[in-house]
Amino acid sequence: ILNVEQSPQSLHVQEGDSTNFTCSFPSSNFYALHWYRWETAKSPEALFVMTLNGDEKKKGRISATLNTKEGYSYLYIKGSQPEDSATYLCAFVDGNKLVFGAGTILRVKS
Amino acid sequence: ETGVTQTPRHLVMGMTNKKSLKCEQHLGHNAMYWYKQSAKKPLELMFVYNFKEQTENNSVPSRFSPECPNSSHLFLHLHTLQPEDSALYLCASSQGGAQETQYFGPGTRLLVL
Repeated sequence: ILNVEQSPQSLHVQEGDSTNFTCSFPSSNFYALHWYRWETAKSPEALFVMTLNGDEKKKGRISATLNTKEGYSYLYIKGSQPEDSATYLCAFVDGNKLVFGAGTILRVKS
Repeated sequence: ETGVTQTPRHLVMGMTNKKSLKCEQHLGHNAMYWYKQSAKKPLELMFVYNFKEQTENNSVPSRFSPECPNSSHLFLHLHTLQPEDSALYLCASSQGGAQETQYFGPGTRLLVL
């Protein structure tokens, strides 16, 4: 059974702090990795789709890196704001489907 | 209306009831998905449709019956559900396969009594 692990499970930071979390996935048969942000009572929202080893993508204060050889991706948030509070999900492409991790819950205190 | 819509947003049903969940996407995508989010568990794929054809059934019990009459609409027909089927059911769509960004609806919160 394909396993996608995310750590930490939850994170509480102060406004202005920078933070990062990890997604681990199988390093064999890699095709693509997705990152989503899921705010409470809203729909999951796509952040990035990453396909190339060494890739780095950025969207505002959020960036992500990818290491397909060792099977991990990092998501970084610079200068966290209360509106960044959400669950951050990664998902590994396995054939025709996405396999999601359990997510990292981020709470940013003002 | 744009994006992916789902109705109803909340549903309470008994174990002997039959109900249907509806999803509609206004993005011109050709792939649609049903996901299940149970408490304390990762988001789990149930079904994938590409160009109205089912291409993935992730070992879902037959009490869940999907229907995709066209590329814009997806239904999930529910019958004789169990209390453990209570969950958030999310629909998503994408242009192309799983490597493409998926756009999610707001979900239907289902409670089976």
